[in-house]
Amino acid sequence: DQQVKQNSPSLSVQEGRISILNCDYTNSMFDYFLWYKKYPAEGPTFLISISSIKDKNEDGRFTVFLNKSAKHLSLHIVPSQPGDSAVYFCAASALRGAGSYQLTFGKGTKLSVIP
Amino acid sequence: NAGVTQTPKFQVLKTGQSMTLQCAQDMNHNSMYWYRQDPGMGLRLIYYSASEGTTDKGEVPNGYNVSRLNKREFSLRLESAAPSQTSVYFCASSVSLGGTGNEQFFGPGTRLTVL
Repeated sequence: DQQVKQNSPSLSVQEGRISILNCDYTNSMFDYFLWYKKYPAEGPTFLISISSIKDKNEDGRFTVFLNKSAKHLSLHIVPSQPGDSAVYFCAASALRGAGSYQLTFGKGTKLSVIP
Repeated sequence: NAGVTQTPKFQVLKTGQSMTLQCAQDMNHNSMYWYRQDPGMGLRLIYYSASEGTTDKGEVPNGYNVSRLNKREFSLRLESAAPSQTSVYFCASSVSLGGTGNEQFFGPGTRLTVL
C-alpha cells in the first residue's frame, strides 16, 4: 500500500518554463513533507520542505504547495533550467509518541529540462 | 567537511556471505538512517537511529542488523546475503527525527550485488 504516490514517472519541460511535480499521500498522520533531488550515481540532496501547518514554502526558484484537505503537494520550479534535470522524490514523515518515527518516500519523478 | 561518507562504493557478494556497510557523518547530527533503493522504487527505510545508543526498525528491516557505534558512525550488516538484497544502499543523517530538523543529508551510496 503506497502511502506516498508520485503518479508521473517522468516529465519533460522546456528551459525557462515552469515545472510542476505532484505528490499525493494517504496517511493523515504525516506532518512534515520534503522534496529531494537525485542525480545518477549520487545520493539524494534535500531541496525544500513544508510543515503541515503551512500551505506554501518558497526558496528561490522552488516553491512547495500543500493542500491538506486533498492530501496533495506540488513542487514548482520557475524558471526551469537544464541543471534541474534529475529524479525528484517526495517524502513524508510522522513523528509519533515515544520516538516512533515514519518516513516514506514516493517512487520519484524524472524531470528532463530541454534546452 | 566531508558530510556523509559510505564505504565501500561497490561490492559483489555470493549468496550466504556476510558483510558490513560503513557510514560516518561529521556534521554532529543526532539521527542516522539506512535506506535501500531498487529500480522503479523510492527509497525504503531499513533501520534508523534517533540518537546515539538507540536503533529502530524501518519499513524493510528483515535480513539486516545495525549498530550505532558512536554519534558519528552507523553500520549496516548483512549476515547472510540473498539475491533479493541486491540494491543501492544509502546512509543519511539529520539533526533530529521529525519536523524541521529532519532534513536528511545523504551519502553517495553503496551499490551491492548478490549473486
